[in-house]
Order: sequence, then structure tokens, then C-alpha cells
Amino acid sequence: ETGVTQTPRHLVMGMTNKKSLKCEQHLGHNAMYWYKQSAKKPLELMFVYSLEERVENNSVPSRFSPECPNSSHLFLHLHTLQPEDSALYLCASSQEGGQSFNYGYTFGSGTRLTVV
Amino acid sequence: RKEVEQDPGPFNVPEGATVAFNCTYSNSASQSFFWYRQDCRKEPKLLMSVYSSGNEDGRFTAQLNRASQYISLLIRDSKLSDSATYLCVVNRDDKIIFGKGTRLHILP
Repeated sequence: ETGVTQTPRHLVMGMTNKKSLKCEQHLGHNAMYWYKQSAKKPLELMFVYSLEERVENNSVPSRFSPECPNSSHLFLHLHTLQPEDSALYLCASSQEGGQSFNYGYTFGSGTRLTVV
Repeated sequence: RKEVEQDPGPFNVPEGATVAFNCTYSNSASQSFFWYRQDCRKEPKLLMSVYSSGNEDGRFTAQLNRASQYISLLIRDSKLSDSATYLCVVNRDDKIIFGKGTRLHILP
């Protein structure tokens, strides 16, 4: 069990469904991230929240909508996805500021999403 | 040219052997460097940071060559449990860039 918990672990959804991915971190970190990992591609950063404010949105389609209600929770709301959105979605957290990234990220176990 | 490049492998190495792989980065302003390990269908986990003077953690040694812009990971006395994908990670201006990873298979 890591300090970053993601639910659900697996999700199958139709293209017309609406679902949400949840991430919770118990590490006292002040930054949280959504990454997408597709087969044979490097990790792709989707969204960054620092101190609960979105600081980066890497040209992600609007069918992905993040929400960060507090520093411990992060959601990714999904609607009208496409089959090519099937991937592993990873949440991560870190402590921002100064050289703090020298401690690296802590990742959750991910949600394996299949869009049918 | 990709900002962080790794040989995807796979590296097939007999148990007990020493294996090394490199990661090159293109931006000389890159500030900090890491190796992550990712097991099949699992999340990446921090293996070790890479310091300018080189650093060692048990059987693992990481080195940074700023002049040639690469980092390396050396694994001695490899174990079956070392089989995984090793991701190179570079931090530049608080932007984190992951390599595609190098797959390592340790053979019994």
C-alpha cells in the first residue's frame, strides 16, 4: 500500500458514460498530478495542481476534467471518451518548493481504463 | 530529438551478471535526475536520485555525466527480481520529463 491511493483499479466504460477517477494522498504533499501511460509511450503529464490550484494543463481534451477540492484529493472526471483514451491513468504527488523534488514523486497504483 | 532518450531494450541478462544502461538528455539546463523502476502493470517507483558525484545504493550505482549529457544505471550481481522497466526522469525548471524506459529481463 503506497501513500497515494487510486480508485477504481480497473474501469470499463462506454463512450457515452460519465465516470470519475479518484486519487488520495496521505503524505502531506502539496502538489498532485495526473499522468497517462499508453502502451509503448512515455508517461504523459496531463494536469498539475499545486496548493490546490491548477498550474499546468498539457493540452488535454476537454473530455477529461480534473478537480482538486483539497491538497489530499484529486479527481479526474471522464465523459464521452474515445477508445484511444484507453490507458493506465496514474496519480502522483510531491512536495513542491526549492529542491524538494529531489525526493521524487510518489505514484498511485493507477486506474486501468478501457473505453469500449 | 526527444528530450530524454533511452534504449528500449529488452536487455536479456543472466542472473548474477552486471548490466548497465544509459539515458541521454538534450537540454543542458536540466537540473536533477532520477531512475524509476516500473514492474509490469504497476506504477513507477523511485529507485534512486542521481547526484553529480555519482551515488551507490547496494547493488545499484547511478552516475551523471553533465558534459556528455547522460546518466547511467549499473546493476551488479543481478537478481531475477530486478526484471522491470527502468525509467529515466529529468527535472528541468520544475518540468518533469520521463523517458520511455528500458526493459530488463534477468534470465535464470
